[in-house]
Amino acid sequence: DTGVSQDPRHKITKRGQNVTFRCDPISEHNRLYWYRQTLGQGPEFLTYFQNEAQLEKSRLLSDRFSAERPKGSFSTLEIQRTEQGDSAMYLCASSPQGGGTEAFFGQGTRLTVV
Amino acid sequence: GENVEQHPSTLSVQEGDSAVIKCTYSDSASNYFPWYKQELGKRPQLIIDIRSNVGEKKDQRIAVTLNKTAKHFSLHITETQPEDSAVYFCAASRNNAGNMLTFGGGTRLMVKP
Repeated sequence: DTGVSQDPRHKITKRGQNVTFRCDPISEHNRLYWYRQTLGQGPEFLTYFQNEAQLEKSRLLSDRFSAERPKGSFSTLEIQRTEQGDSAMYLCASSPQGGGTEAFFGQGTRLTVV
Repeated sequence: GENVEQHPSTLSVQEGDSAVIKCTYSDSASNYFPWYKQELGKRPQLIIDIRSNVGEKKDQRIAVTLNKTAKHFSLHITETQPEDSAVYFCAASRNNAGNMLTFGGGTRLMVKP
């Protein structure tokens, strides 16, 4: 499968625990995005990488959230000290460089904080 | 920042009828407008997109129109089929801003057979 893949697909964690998600973009895509989607809402932008550089972060991304893309390939999103309000679907997308190009989404990681 | 409003939030049509979903955006610098279809439990998938230098684009039963002056764009689905039932999201972005997408709230389309 040459699409965007995310792991794990589902994660249940207790409040206060740390969680880490992984995203593998389409191999030739140098742009990678993280979005968060809550039930019944559209995806909300969290952060964006071009190669290994994190170029943009949303104000939604509190200091408990950190994302990395160390070699410009896969990316990780870590949430520290999880809260119930962090429960959501975390979507990763990738696109080639250039304006107005399609962003391809992964299946997402559904996080449930209990 | 950009704000995208989408209407209606739910839309029910009879199979074979047309469906229209409308979006407005606030940032006049936005110049790329994709539409995504998301089936239950699945990833959002692009169905059509339009750039600001074009007023209309069509792909088989799907068309999108863009009015830059009024800052609104619409999705038109003709001859709807039950498999068109899904949630549809419009989005907007600026080419020179990393192409980060701002999404509308979504429209749940139900096509009754």
